[in-house]
Amino acid sequence: QVQLVQSGAEVKKSGASVKVSCKTSGYTFSGHYMHWVRQAPGQGLEWMGWINPNSGGTNYAQKFQGRVAMTRDTSISTIYMELSRLRYDDTAVYYCARELGSVAATGYWGQGTLVTVSS
Amino acid sequence: QPVLTQSSSASASLGSSVKLTCTLSSGHSNYIIAWHQQQPGKAPRYLMNLEGSRSYNKGSGVPDRFSGSSSGADRYLTISSLQSEDEADYYCETWDSNTRVFGGGTKLTVL
Repeated sequence: QVQLVQSGAEVKKSGASVKVSCKTSGYTFSGHYMHWVRQAPGQGLEWMGWINPNSGGTNYAQKFQGRVAMTRDTSISTIYMELSRLRYDDTAVYYCARELGSVAATGYWGQGTLVTVSS
Repeated sequence: QPVLTQSSSASASLGSSVKLTCTLSSGHSNYIIAWHQQQPGKAPRYLMNLEGSRSYNKGSGVPDRFSGSSSGADRYLTISSLQSEDEADYYCETWDSNTRVFGGGTKLTVL
C-alpha cells in the first residue's frame, strides 16, 4: 500500500533553514507528482508547490518562490522540501502528499512534520 | 486562479445528515474538486473527487455514508447517519496547471 513517511519534528531559529524529508513506498516513485502543503496552528491548508519525481521539475507557489526548494532522491524514493530564511510565521505542520493518478487530487498524505521557528 | 469558498462551521445531530458546500469562483465552475477530512490532531484524509454531478475515486475505506454532488459552481459533500468520528474539519481542493488551492475549511460539530 502507498506509504508516505516524513521526518521528525524540528525546532529552528529565525533566519535558519529547515529540510523535511518524505520517504515513499508501495508504488512506482517516478509515476506521480508530489506536493508540499503546510498548516499553521489553528489555520487551514496552504499549498507550497509540487515536484515531478521523474524529471525533478518543480513548480512553487508564488508566496514561497526564492525561499523554497523541492528535490528528490530517486535511489531511495524520497522527496525533500527545504525552506530558508525562516520566520516565526513559518511555524506549521508540513505535509507531503501524492497525487491520486487518475486525477490530480492529492490522494495520499504523509503524517506531517511540525516545524517550530523560535528566537 | 480559482478560489474556493467554504462556510467556517456547521453542526448536525448524531444520526442525522449534513450537507457541506464548497463554491468555485466565477469562471471556474467546471473545475474538478476533491474533498478531504481532517480529524483533530491528524493528517488530512482524501475522501473523493467530484466532477460535475458525479463523485469519483472514493478514498480507501471511505464509508458509503459520504457522497458528493454538484450544482453550478457549488460542490457538496453529504454525510448521512452522522457518527461522532465525523466531527472534523473538511476541506475542498482544486487545481490547474500552475497552482493548487484549498478552501478555508468547514469545522463540523456533531451534536
